[in-house]
Amino acid sequence: DQQVKQNSPSLSVQEGRISILNCDYTNSMFDYFLWYKKYPAEGPTFLISISSIKDKNEDGRFTVFLNKSAKHLSLHIVPSQPGDSAVYFCAASDPNAGNMLTFGGGTRLMVKP
Amino acid sequence: ETGVTQSPTHLIKTRGQQVTLRCSSQSGHNTVSWYQQALGQGPQFIFQYYREEENGRGNFPPRFSGLQFPNYSSELNVNALELDDSALYLCASSFSSGLSYEQYFGPGTRLTVT
Repeated sequence: DQQVKQNSPSLSVQEGRISILNCDYTNSMFDYFLWYKKYPAEGPTFLISISSIKDKNEDGRFTVFLNKSAKHLSLHIVPSQPGDSAVYFCAASDPNAGNMLTFGGGTRLMVKP
Repeated sequence: ETGVTQSPTHLIKTRGQQVTLRCSSQSGHNTVSWYQQALGQGPQFIFQYYREEENGRGNFPPRFSGLQFPNYSSELNVNALELDDSALYLCASSFSSGLSYEQYFGPGTRLTVT
């Protein structure tokens, strides 16, 4: 039973355009959501997060949107750059489970020059 | 500021053997979590240690055990290795003061069981 799902295993975008990565969850107890980026041979790197009391959080080129009623979040990258090419994981935290992170399966983003 | 480090980088073991993986937390962090990442999947939570005690556990059997030391470094031990234990093992540290969300990951240990 996957509580966090990323239904697109890969996404290809042209440099300068918008990248939209999607994530769906089923556990309504999740109260905090995070996006991590992972390059090969490195551990995941924290990118941006959002609390369940908000619907948007922006940090430079990265914006995360949360739709609680749909149990859906998305990460927008504008403009996309070749250096953004990596695997992106969304993760969710359940305060009733010691704030352990539940990860989605990841989406591989390829930004073409 | 020193980041999260893990050792060894790669490891090959035989089915039935035991393995110990090590993790040094980022400076100032007192909580360590371990994750298993199988090929093509997202990391799966194994357990978390806070102040040297297990503070939460995922759906992993008891042959997965851990320790946290006074300096907040940590070990993951796996007994009776199985082929399915082949994966990237990630350690993540954070500072917990009741709420802790942003975890900082090490580069991982790639374990291959043959």
